[in-house]
Amino acid sequence: GENVEQHPSTLSVQEGDSAVIKCTYSDSASNYFPWYKQELGKGPQLIIDIRSNVGEKKDQRIAVTLNKTAKHFSLHITETQPEDSAVYFCAAFYNTDKLIFGTGTRLQVFP
Amino acid sequence: DTAVSQTPKYLVTQMGNDKSIKCEQNLGHDTMYWYKQDSKKFLKIMFSYNNKELIINETVPNRFSPKSPDKAHLNLHINSLELGDSAVYFCASSQMLGGQTEAFFGQGTRLTVV
Repeated sequence: GENVEQHPSTLSVQEGDSAVIKCTYSDSASNYFPWYKQELGKGPQLIIDIRSNVGEKKDQRIAVTLNKTAKHFSLHITETQPEDSAVYFCAAFYNTDKLIFGTGTRLQVFP
Repeated sequence: DTAVSQTPKYLVTQMGNDKSIKCEQNLGHDTMYWYKQDSKKFLKIMFSYNNKELIINETVPNRFSPKSPDKAHLNLHINSLELGDSAVYFCASSQMLGGQTEAFFGQGTRLTVV
């Protein structure tokens, strides 16, 4: 079926620590995997994405890794800050025309 | 400049009423979507349109009818509203269907059915 599993559902970290969110997808044909951040009262916003021709991508404190064989991809946030607190969604493209989202991770960064 | 704008932001209405949510994008994108986000924050695709043509209808009840007068607009009309329709509805757009590019989301419309 078309689903993306995401773990954990909630994550609390101390400021400065790292946070890791993991996702698993089911369609082996998927080749585009974006990550979205949703702040309170706002729509989801893209923070980083990765395509299947690379295994890792980094943008400052954020990195994403992809294991196509295992159908896993992960978001890594280093040196977390209170403003990183939000709900994070992974997503995968299915059937080339449908973006399916994971169930979301509520990240809280405590000062 | 707002890229994807939805109106209204909040909508409170009684069961049985008919309501519409409007969406406009000024990004020149070909593809637009409606997503529903429930109280547990699950984001589920409802519809997608490409150049005014319906591409995806995710087994949404017939009471929901999207309308795309042109490729910059995708409105959502809901008939006979039910309590279970209460949710946040997001409009989004992307450059092209199957292009697997970034989807830009609107700010959402919080619909409350009482």
